[in-house]
Amino acid sequence: DAEITQSPRHKITETGRQVTLACHQTWNHNNMFWYRQDLGHGLRLIHYSYGVHDTNKGEVSDGYSVSRSNTEDLPLTLESAASSQTSVYFCASSQTGIGSGGELFFGEGSRLTVL
Amino acid sequence: DQQVKQNSPSLSVQEGRISILNCDYTNSMFDYFLWYKKYPAEGPTFLISISSIKDKNEDGRFTVFLNKSAKHLSLHIVPSQPGDSAVYFCADTSSASKIIFGSGTRLSIRP
Repeated sequence: DAEITQSPRHKITETGRQVTLACHQTWNHNNMFWYRQDLGHGLRLIHYSYGVHDTNKGEVSDGYSVSRSNTEDLPLTLESAASSQTSVYFCASSQTGIGSGGELFFGEGSRLTVL
Repeated sequence: DQQVKQNSPSLSVQEGRISILNCDYTNSMFDYFLWYKKYPAEGPTFLISISSIKDKNEDGRFTVFLNKSAKHLSLHIVPSQPGDSAVYFCADTSSASKIIFGSGTRLSIRP
């Protein structure tokens, strides 16, 4: 069965360290997204991609970067982790045409703690 | 800019009764609105959607109503069951192919 997987599921790191969260989907979806979930804020969009070599900033992109070298993967990198980036991170993918009501398929999340 | 607001962070409903979750939006463009459900330690899953050209969409126990003049949508769950206890997010899509989520409402179904 096609799926979307995130790794690691749990990560503890120190302030200033570089951290990369992996996201891999086997649906061959063009659209991929990274969200963070925080109490009181719900799901906030960090970065998104509509295809290979395409990346776009979301509403909370500062301190994060992504790259899309193939269809299946969209890794999220925190260049210098900060305590404010302690959160649960969700990767998602969708078929083309999301503006027509296409749904997102989410991974199980990666819980990141920055000490 | 798209904005989606869920003003009730939590809701408690007795099993068997109706649960009503509310959402307000600001974008006037042609959109789809979606509801997602999230259990602890899991990713959100799609529940139901509605096109902005419709007023209502129904799927089993779940019905979503759209009031375009008030820019308000609501999700009705009837009858409510224990497995419905979760966090519910409403979401708005735009022609830019992004989905913007509200802050969520935690629904608790009590016996």
